[in-house]
Amino acid sequence: NAGVMQNPRHLVRRRGQEARLRCSPMKGHSHVYWYRQLPEEGLKFMVYLQKENIIDESGMPKERFSAEFPKEGPSILRIQQVVRGDSAAYFCASSPDSSNEQFFGPGTRLTVL
Amino acid sequence: QQQVKQSPQSLIVQKGGISIINCAYENTAFDYFPWYQQFPGKGPALLIAIRPDVSEKKEGRFTISFNKSAKQFSLHIMDSQPGDSATYFCAARLTSGNTPLVFGKGTRLSVIA
Repeated sequence: NAGVMQNPRHLVRRRGQEARLRCSPMKGHSHVYWYRQLPEEGLKFMVYLQKENIIDESGMPKERFSAEFPKEGPSILRIQQVVRGDSAAYFCASSPDSSNEQFFGPGTRLTVL
Repeated sequence: QQQVKQSPQSLIVQKGGISIINCAYENTAFDYFPWYQQFPGKGPALLIAIRPDVSEKKEGRFTISFNKSAKQFSLHIMDSQPGDSATYFCAARLTSGNTPLVFGKGTRLSVIA
């Protein structure tokens, strides 16, 4: 059973471009969480999704950031008009129903030049 | 407002020694307390977790001690090995409603021979 997959692993964008980060949860997992990790910091929650629904986006910046988890395909975190402050590692985690445990992917390291 | 405070920020332990990392939380509704281990360039991996109905949980060389009245929990790594050198994060969550994890800022552990 493959783990949580994220791609790309590394992404470089210039200021003003768009970044699209993809997350494929573990097989059978219907809950996806996105977290952001700044250098020397812990992970900060951004958004929680189930298939086709955003459940909690309280950690998501109000502008430029959006997330989706379509019926088919991976979950996508989209950052429009990136700025240098968006440079960070973005992790997604998935969990099955009725489970405490969240399984993390390897992350996407975004660098904004 | 930081809901989970972790200390120390960094820790150096001799091989064979005991590593101790502490966390304190504020939200008394939290009912699940995991510890994650993260190696450079990797995603966090669940190490061990505890619920507040027990005061201690041991898995191999790793032990969680939990003090509900003090709202504190700690990770003890017995017989620390160089391979344990990593960043450790404590976290907490409210399990009802599949709420996201709230992370501490992490402890960078170095085990030296």
